[in-house]
Amino acid sequence: EVQLLESGGGLVQPGGSLRVSCAASGFTFGSYAMSWVRQAPGKGLEWVSGISGSGSSTYYADSVKGRFTISRDNSKNTLYLQMNSLRAEDTAVYYCAKWSLVSPLFDYWGQGTLVTVSS
Amino acid sequence: QSVLTQPPSASGTPGQRVTISCSGSSSNIGTNYVYWYQQLPGTPPKLLIYMNNQRPSGVPDRFSGSKSGTSASLAISGLRSEDEAHYYCASWDDSLKGPLFGGGTKLTVL
Repeated sequence: EVQLLESGGGLVQPGGSLRVSCAASGFTFGSYAMSWVRQAPGKGLEWVSGISGSGSSTYYADSVKGRFTISRDNSKNTLYLQMNSLRAEDTAVYYCAKWSLVSPLFDYWGQGTLVTVSS
Repeated sequence: QSVLTQPPSASGTPGQRVTISCSGSSSNIGTNYVYWYQQLPGTPPKLLIYMNNQRPSGVPDRFSGSKSGTSASLAISGLRSEDEAHYYCASWDDSLKGPLFGGGTKLTVL
């Protein structure tokens, strides 16, 4: 059974940094691309970033490019999102999802972790 | 323009058939597949339809998808109370070079 478990969310001040993680199990992690998708409170879904199975290719939405960095450790079956220069508009639940590269196909999702950017 | 437009709300009575529309452009729906996600209250999204009209294993055949030109639709037949959820369309956008979601439609079962 595929399981994705996010962690690391919390309250951070504007301009601050935070790293969220996603522990994966139930599939051959290194063989699949992964993504982060966020959802602001009461709002819709927004794709944030994606990474290939090997980690050699990364993809970012314009809204986070230059501020967020996606990475993965295939030896630990873990996906990361390093978020710097955080803004109030980055406040959202961050979901990790198993991703079919270069498509909007996300076939498994985690439960999400809430990141709140506020002073 | 890189936007997928959905009606904010839809409703129907049990047993009824409802459709939810998703309007895009030549840079997304017009040239790429459409996907649909269902998000029940307090839960993460779930893949409902992929590649315009394909259902993942376990999704009832009451759910169907279609695409024509730069628009797509999700149809739900035999509406049930448990179908009350938010529904999101999605497509790859060639201009953004990334996945694009619609704003979502809240379906209410009256």
